[in-house]
Amino acid sequence: NAGVTQTPKFQVLKTGQSMTLQCAQDMNHNSMYWYRQDPGMGLRLIYYSASEGTTDKGEVPNGYNVSRLNKREFSLRLESAAPSQTSVYFCASSEAQGAANTGELFFGEGSRLTVL
Amino acid sequence: GQQVMQIPQYQHVQEGEDFTTYCNSSTTLSNIQWYKQRPGGHPVFLIQLVKSGEVKKQKRLTFQFGEAKKNSSLHITATQTTDVGTYFCAGQGYNNDMRFGAGTRLTVKP
Repeated sequence: NAGVTQTPKFQVLKTGQSMTLQCAQDMNHNSMYWYRQDPGMGLRLIYYSASEGTTDKGEVPNGYNVSRLNKREFSLRLESAAPSQTSVYFCASSEAQGAANTGELFFGEGSRLTVL
Repeated sequence: GQQVMQIPQYQHVQEGEDFTTYCNSSTTLSNIQWYKQRPGGHPVFLIQLVKSGEVKKQKRLTFQFGEAKKNSSLHITATQTTDVGTYFCAGQGYNNDMRFGAGTRLTVKP
């Protein structure tokens, strides 16, 4: 099993460009998440999806959109990238259905994004 | 909103010394999780604590959840070079909001 796979691993963008980060999990998990990690700030939740067809905002959703394409896939889109979005992005999944008890999060390997 | 504070930010120890990281929440938590992230890697789940006063052990690692369910600690006995990495706590509130602490970066000198 591959677990959680996210692409690309590295990306450099210019301010104003758009891009989509892809994430897929093969564990039949209900919930999927997108986090960003910045130095000294831990992981902050951007968006999550508790089940196929639903998405909800997390702590830092501004500047991002998401799509839960099916149970396996959850993509994160930056419509007009800004330097403040330079970060490492992690996709994660969990068995939880709903947000009541997230349970163990399984993380992808991360995508390092630089916006110039 | 809920905040989770973690200290210290950095800890450098000699191999064989003990290490402790502390996590404090501004609100009562329903549960708390701990993760380890190796340099250049992704966070990996270590454990989840749910009950007030709970103590769990994994080999040299001891995890505690406070009686008031607002704080937690991770203690490593006799550190090894393989313990190097950043340790994060993640507290989930009763409003379902889960927040990560900023992490404690552990370095171990052989």
